[in-house]
Amino acid sequence: DSGVTQTPKHLITATGQRVTLRCSPRSGDLSVYWYQQSLDQGLQFLIQYYNGEERAKGNILERFSAQQFPDLHSELNLSSLELGDSALYFCASSASTNLEQYFGPGTRLTVT
Amino acid sequence: GQNIDQPTEMTATEGAIVQINCTYQTSGFNGLFWYQQHAGEAPTFLSYNVLDGLEEKGRFSSFLSRSKGYSYLLLKELQMKDSASYLCAVSKGGGADGLTFGKGTHLIIQP
Repeated sequence: DSGVTQTPKHLITATGQRVTLRCSPRSGDLSVYWYQQSLDQGLQFLIQYYNGEERAKGNILERFSAQQFPDLHSELNLSSLELGDSALYFCASSASTNLEQYFGPGTRLTVT
Repeated sequence: GQNIDQPTEMTATEGAIVQINCTYQTSGFNGLFWYQQHAGEAPTFLSYNVLDGLEEKGRFSSFLSRSKGYSYLLLKELQMKDSASYLCAVSKGGGADGLTFGKGTHLIIQP
């Protein structure tokens, strides 16, 4: 158990819908990262927050957005969902920058 | 651009030693990570190399050569539970630490 929690574990929704994935980092960790893992693309970095502020963006689509709240939990919002958005979404956290990241159990999103 | 290469699949025997190689070409480099991932589960942290050389941690060791853009993960005394994917990842640093991952090496341990 990494100490990072994610909800929900599984999510099934239809194309065009919007969903919110939630992540709570390890106690004391200030950095939160979101990753997408699909069979063909592997593990792809989406976005990073540090102490409530956006720090870096990766391959995140404009239909996706995220935020980190004052209690340091984070949410990833996915809208106008497409079949290709079906994937495992992982949240990771680290104490600061340039340190090892600890991954949560992931949310498996299925878009039908 | 970002390019991280590692073999797709490797097979090894229980009790033996296996080396998984990773080469990278990235715009910016701060450090190299190795993660283990069992199917359907979260990646778990194995090692982190910032400087050239070998880092040893129990049965696992990781090596880095920054000038060659090369790293390897060495697993000794292989156990059946070591069957998993091993992911090489690069951090660009500068406070922006989203990791760039390779596609992973699927390691199969045979009795």
